[in-house]
Amino acid sequence: DSGVTQTPKHLITATGQRVTLRCSPRSGDLSVYWYQQSLDQGLQFLIQYYNGEERAKGNILERFSAQQFPDLHSELNLSSLELGDSALYFCASSDRGGYSPLHFGNGTRLTVT
Amino acid sequence: GNSVTQMEGPVTLSEEAFLTINCTYTATGYPSLFWYVQYPGEGLQLLLKATKADDKGSNKGFEATYRKETTSFHLEKGSVQVSDSAVYFCALTQGGSEKLVFGKGMKLTVNP
Repeated sequence: DSGVTQTPKHLITATGQRVTLRCSPRSGDLSVYWYQQSLDQGLQFLIQYYNGEERAKGNILERFSAQQFPDLHSELNLSSLELGDSALYFCASSDRGGYSPLHFGNGTRLTVT
Repeated sequence: GNSVTQMEGPVTLSEEAFLTINCTYTATGYPSLFWYVQYPGEGLQLLLKATKADDKGSNKGFEATYRKETTSFHLEKGSVQVSDSAVYFCALTQGGSEKLVFGKGMKLTVNP
C-alpha cells in the first residue's frame, strides 16, 4: 500500500460531461502529481502541486484543471470530455519532489462513451 | 527535450530466465534515472534509482547501472520469478525539475 488514495476507482461518463477525480497524498507528502496513462501515449505528466501551489505543468489540456487544498488533497477536473480522454489517471505524491521517489495511487479509470 | 526510450515488448520468459530491459535516455546535463514497476491493477512503485554516472541501483534482485557514455540504464535480473510479471517503466528527472519523464513501459510475463 503506497498510502496514496484515489477515488473513484472507475468512472463512466458521456462525451461533453465534466468529472472530478480526487487524490489524498501519503501522510506528510507536500507534492502531488497527476499523470495520464493511455495505450497510445503511455504515461504523460499533467501537473504538479506543492503545498497548495502549482509547481510544474506538463501536457495538460485547457479543458483540464487541478488544485491542491489546504489539507493537501488534490482534485483533477476534466470538462467537455471527449472519447480520447478515456484513460487511467494516476495521482502520485512525494515529500520533496526532485530526487524523492514518487508514491503512486492505484489510479482512476475513466471511460468516456 | 528530455526523453526516455525503452524496449516495449511484450516479453514472455520462463521462470529462472535472465532478463534485460534496455533503456536509453536523451537529456542535457545529469539526470537522475529510475525504474518503476506496475503490477496488475496497481499504481507504479519505485524499483530502483541512480542519481549519478556509474551508480548502480539494486532492489529485489534487479540491477541497473547509470552509463553516461552510452546514455543507458538497462535493467537486469539474473533469474526471474512468476511474481516479477508486471509492466516496467524507465524514467528520468532532470536538475531542478520535479517532473518524471517515463518511457512507454514494457510488459513482462513470466511463466512457471
